[in-house]
Amino acid sequence: DADVTQTPRNRITKTGKRIMLECSQTKGHDRMYWYRQDPGLGLRLIYYSFDVKDINKGEISDGYSVSRQAQAKFSLSLESAIPNQTALYFCATSPGYGNTIYFGEGSWLTVV
Amino acid sequence: TQLLEQSPQFLSIQEGENLTVYCNSSSVFSSLQWYRQEPGEGPVLLVTVVTGGEVKKLKRLTFQFGDARKDSSLHITAAQPGDTGLYLCAGPTSNRKLIWGLGTSLAVNP
Repeated sequence: DADVTQTPRNRITKTGKRIMLECSQTKGHDRMYWYRQDPGLGLRLIYYSFDVKDINKGEISDGYSVSRQAQAKFSLSLESAIPNQTALYFCATSPGYGNTIYFGEGSWLTVV
Repeated sequence: TQLLEQSPQFLSIQEGENLTVYCNSSSVFSSLQWYRQEPGEGPVLLVTVVTGGEVKKLKRLTFQFGDARKDSSLHITAAQPGDTGLYLCAGPTSNRKLIWGLGTSLAVNP
């Protein structure tokens, strides 16, 4: 089983719908991240969390929200999806600053 | 603002060829990481370089960190189709965040 698991792996949703992407990890890391990846724009950080009570905005947080339900779980929500949120989303964890980032397998989200 | 520029953006070569990809910045980094992302998967760490001038080898992959710790290179010897993927460099910034280059997309044709 993967150390960082994302669900769903693929989702097509309509404009205006609420969608949640879930992430769970078995690595025991305190730090968790949500990134989106777009061709030509690379990996961009949406939100990050250093522990259950510490959640921070990344460089592109507008239109997104997150919830850290437990050390192992970090979910990303799009309250009202729009087409330009169509992207590949990654959850990731790390044991600390400057350390290895461990990524999930990604969630393809298409907003039509 | 610290930036990491990767070149080339795309590279398509034949099996058996050698290649070098670059990760450059005008800023000094305490370390740089190299990741490979295969289609349909998340990036996976290949190596972290920490010391200026450092050279690390991972089978046919050779990573070098510039003496001034502003740049790094990845050289692949005798590329194989299994080397196909997106190669990303990343580095920690002075404000304790991690920045990413846009990557080099490598295709190795049989």
